[in-house]
Amino acid sequence: EAGVTQFPSHSVIEKGQTVTLRCDPISGHDNLYWYRRVMGKEIKFLLHFVKESKQDESGMPNNRFLAERTGGTYSTLKVQPAELEDSGVYFCASSTGTGNEQYFGPGTRLTVT
Amino acid sequence: QQQVKQSPQSLIVQKGGIPIINCAYENTAFDYFPWYQQFPGKGPALLIAIRPDVSEKKEGRFTISFNKSAKQFSLHIMDSQPGDSATYFCAASIGAGAGSYQLTFGKGTKLSVIP
Repeated sequence: EAGVTQFPSHSVIEKGQTVTLRCDPISGHDNLYWYRRVMGKEIKFLLHFVKESKQDESGMPNNRFLAERTGGTYSTLKVQPAELEDSGVYFCASSTGTGNEQYFGPGTRLTVT
Repeated sequence: QQQVKQSPQSLIVQKGGIPIINCAYENTAFDYFPWYQQFPGKGPALLIAIRPDVSEKKEGRFTISFNKSAKQFSLHIMDSQPGDSATYFCAASIGAGAGSYQLTFGKGTKLSVIP
């Protein structure tokens, strides 16, 4: 069974540009989460999808971040326009509909210069 | 306000030693406490998890001890090996009644096991 995959693995963009991160969860997992780790800080929750619906967006830092989950399968996280403080590693995780166990992808390292 | 405090930040032990990583939480609504192991360039991998109705859980060489009254839990690695060298994260979440299983993480502990 394939794990959670994320693309790209690394992205370097300039301040003001737009970047879109993609996450493919484990097949059959209804729950999809986005997290972010800024250097030196803890991994922080951004948002949670149940199928195609946003269940919890309480961790999204501001309206420059837009997440979607088309048809309840893969998800994208768009940052527009990117700021320097958006640099960090963005993780996606997925879980079944009945449990807490979340399985993480390898992350996308975003560097904004 | 950091809801899950993890210590130490880094830890060096010799092969065969028993590293212990500690976490303390504040929110008494937390009812699921996982530990994640992360190797460089990889995502966090679920290692072991516990719920507050038990005081200890063991899986292979990894043991979680849980103290509900003190709001603390810890990870012990028995007979540690160089291959255990990684960053370890504790986390906590609230159960289904909250509608979301979002994890609240500690800052991580970088463990080095030297031969």
